[in-house]
Amino acid sequence: EVQLVESGGGLVQPGRSLKLSCAASGFTFSNYYMAWVRQAPTKGLEWVAYISTGGGSTYYRDSVKGRFTISRDNAKSTLYLQMDSLRSEDTATYYCTTNSPFAYWGQGTLVTVSS
Amino acid sequence: DVVMTQTPVSLPVSLGGQASISCRSSQSLVHSNGNTYLHWYLQKPGQSPQLLIYRVSNRFSGVPDRFSGSGSGTDFTLKISRVEPEDLGDYYCLQSTHFPFTFGSGTKLEIK
Repeated sequence: EVQLVESGGGLVQPGRSLKLSCAASGFTFSNYYMAWVRQAPTKGLEWVAYISTGGGSTYYRDSVKGRFTISRDNAKSTLYLQMDSLRSEDTATYYCTTNSPFAYWGQGTLVTVSS
Repeated sequence: DVVMTQTPVSLPVSLGGQASISCRSSQSLVHSNGNTYLHWYLQKPGQSPQLLIYRVSNRFSGVPDRFSGSGSGTDFTLKISRVEPEDLGDYYCLQSTHFPFTFGSGTKLEIK
């Protein structure tokens, strides 16, 4: 059974950093492109970033480019999202998902950016 | 960015009835490889999104045949026949042909 389990969310002050993790199991992680998608409270879904199987290619939405870094450790079957210079508008539940067509999703981890 | 215009915002439906959701893109979703990367998701209350339909009309594993997708170019539709209580929630379309990938704003399916 495919499982994606996110962790690392929490309350953080504006301008600070946070690193999210997503532990994958039940499939060959290294064969899949992976992505992060977020959802602000009571809002819709927003794609954040994606990474190729080997990690050599990454893409970001403009609003997080230069602040967020997606990475992966295929030996540990784990996806990461390093989030720096956090802003209030980054407050959301962050989901990791197997990239397009986003077939499998984790349960999400809530990031709250507030002073 | 490709804008995905999803309608209606809210869709009251009777159990056993039919529902139809539209998603229109601001530019063609046909990729240079000939595929069209338009997908549909359902997010039930308090849950993560789940994939229903991928690449316009392909049902994902375990999705009942009450769900069907159609369309081409810039105009796409999700149809749900014989609506059941478990179908209630927020429906989203997603295009992954162009970067950045963009979602529709969602349609809330609720009981009439």
